[in-house]
Amino acid sequence: KQEVTQIPAALSVPEGENLVLNCSFTDSAIYNLQWFRQDPGKGLTSLLLIQSSQREQTSGRLNASLDKSSGRSTLYIAASQPGDSATYLCASVSRGYNKLIFGAGTRLAVHP
Amino acid sequence: DGGITQSPKYLFRKEGQNVTLSCEQNLNHDAMYWYRQDPGQGLRLIYYSQIVNDFQKGDIAEGYSVSREKKESFPLTVTSAQKNPTAFYLCASSAETSGSLLGTDTQYFGPGTRLTVL
Repeated sequence: KQEVTQIPAALSVPEGENLVLNCSFTDSAIYNLQWFRQDPGKGLTSLLLIQSSQREQTSGRLNASLDKSSGRSTLYIAASQPGDSATYLCASVSRGYNKLIFGAGTRLAVHP
Repeated sequence: DGGITQSPKYLFRKEGQNVTLSCEQNLNHDAMYWYRQDPGQGLRLIYYSQIVNDFQKGDIAEGYSVSREKKESFPLTVTSAQKNPTAFYLCASSAETSGSLLGTDTQYFGPGTRLTVL
């Protein structure tokens, strides 16, 4: 059974810092790994989708990497800003599971 | 504007009452989903549909029901059989067609409905 874990559950950093959010998964036979952002009381917004054949994807200040062999993905945020404050969730779909499996998320606070 | 809308934003349910949450999309997506989110937990799949007039149970379907009479609409009813319905409910859609593996395409989410039991 696929399990997705995100550690830490919460993170607080000063503005301008580069940071890394972690996501681990138990089943390496994944089709893709997705990162989402959720603002308080809102729905999820898709940030990046990495196919199983890819090692990383980039969008602006965000870079997501995928290492299937170690069961890990990281989301790198460069030059963090207060507007980056949100909960970041990762999710994956793996062979044999016809759905996305979500982690519980990392709540990020970037303070001025 | 293309997107997904959910209504109402806040909903209160009395004991023994059925309530229906609305979800509409104009993205022309075949697949639609309902998730439940509880504090400190990841999203859990309640029901999904990949084609009109067909839907499948997810991991936590007990106490919930859905319909898919139109491509654009996927309402969720929380019945009195759901003993702990207080949660944040999220609707999503994606372009996967019937028979495709779910989750292979980007999912687009609505703004959510917060349901509270009085």
